Amino acid sequence: AQTVTQSQPEMSVQEAETVTLSCTYDTSESDYYLFWYKQPPSRQMILVIRQEAYKQQNATENRFSVNFQKAAKSFSLKISDSQLGDAAMYFCAYRGPNYGGSQGNLIFGKGTKLSVKP
Amino acid sequence: EPEVTQTPSHQVTQMGQEVILRCVPISNHLYFYWYRQILGQKVEFLVSFYNNEISEKSEIFDDQFSVERPDGSNFTLKIRSTKLEDSAMYFCASRARTIGRYEQYFGPGTRLTVT
Repeated sequence: AQTVTQSQPEMSVQEAETVTLSCTYDTSESDYYLFWYKQPPSRQMILVIRQEAYKQQNATENRFSVNFQKAAKSFSLKISDSQLGDAAMYFCAYRGPNYGGSQGNLIFGKGTKLSVKP
Repeated sequence: EPEVTQTPSHQVTQMGQEVILRCVPISNHLYFYWYRQILGQKVEFLVSFYNNEISEKSEIFDDQFSVERPDGSNFTLKIRSTKLEDSAMYFCASRARTIGRYEQYFGPGTRLTVT
């Protein structure tokens, strides 16, 4: 079974600095998708960034970028120029390939709570 | 920008009562999901729904749970006889049927409190 592991329960960063959140996963599939979701105190789940496993290029969305290491099954999130509004829980999620009727439910890690200090 | 909506935002119910949680997915999306998050824990998959039937369900989704798409817009999760351990945040999500676009968009969640 696929698993997602986030080994950092909490992280802290100074405003305007850069922080990296770690995520590793386990799968026997070669085709899959990875996501980072942000959950602020409102508890809404907000998609931050996605990465297709077949793409070698790391995804980037403004201040958010990933370091995708397929062989190591690692998918870390880098937040540059951290802002106070970045403070939230961050969840890494895995989605397997589409076959056998699977509609691709997400498997989540336990999350990392990010604090941003002014 | 279109978004997934959920009602109510907070539901308090007594143990043994039936509850229905409602979701309106993004209008052109065809795949629908329910997840739950017990306070302080990770988000867990409950069920996926496509073409008016359940595609997959997890072990959590037992006979006490059911889903329905009663009309062209709503997607509901029913818990027949609630237990204390059903207290959680319930998230609805939807995604488009666009090849290569598999991201799911989540609603704001319904906090269910069972007393």
